[in-house]
Amino acid sequence: DTGVSQDPRHKITKRGQNVTFRCDPISEHNRLYWYRQTLGQGPEFLTYFQNEAQLEKSRLLSDRFSAERPKGSFSTLEIQRTEQGDSAMYLCASSLGLGGVYSPLHFGNGTRLTVT
Amino acid sequence: TQLLEQSPQFLSIQEGENLTVYCNSSSVFSSLQWYRQEPGEGPVLLVTVVTGGEVKKLKRLTFQFGDARKDSSLHITAAQPGDTGLYLCAGGANYNQGGKLIFGQGTELSVKP
Repeated sequence: DTGVSQDPRHKITKRGQNVTFRCDPISEHNRLYWYRQTLGQGPEFLTYFQNEAQLEKSRLLSDRFSAERPKGSFSTLEIQRTEQGDSAMYLCASSLGLGGVYSPLHFGNGTRLTVT
Repeated sequence: TQLLEQSPQFLSIQEGENLTVYCNSSSVFSSLQWYRQEPGEGPVLLVTVVTGGEVKKLKRLTFQFGDARKDSSLHITAAQPGDTGLYLCAGGANYNQGGKLIFGQGTELSVKP
């Protein structure tokens, strides 16, 4: 168990640029989640995958955001035309979902995005 | 929209004191998890409670799930500086789907030696 890894750890970009983040979940986990967290707040749900299927997207996820998990393994989150309001910590988590049972989420250490 | 409200948002206490953090909602959750997060790291699971009225103990931490599965509490006995961090409750809403967790806004705990 090498844990959930996220890359990069930090990203500074200028407003209007596109950015892409990568998440590698724990290998046997079939569920993968993206959350966004601002300073001093709890994580806000963005989207989640079961295997390669994207099962739910939050209304927070505007058209500028897209997430993929092409082979049911790693995932990418792309933000197009970044805005200053996109500055946050983007957290990825994975879990082994067995039917309706809530298994714990294993979080990565996040990608901190700063839009200048 | 399902919401989880945590209180207090900030707590600063001396080593050795006891404290309780509350997590409340008007919605029923099929399960509730508590996480602890340190600066620059992702949240780490402390406990999951699934049955109304359930009480779980983890050393000096006691977790309780309300009878109606709408609220939960975390009690820490004899707090230590190592307990400092952001404590988050998270509810699982749809038992059949096993989907997203909804997080509270967190309680920032500081324990001074």
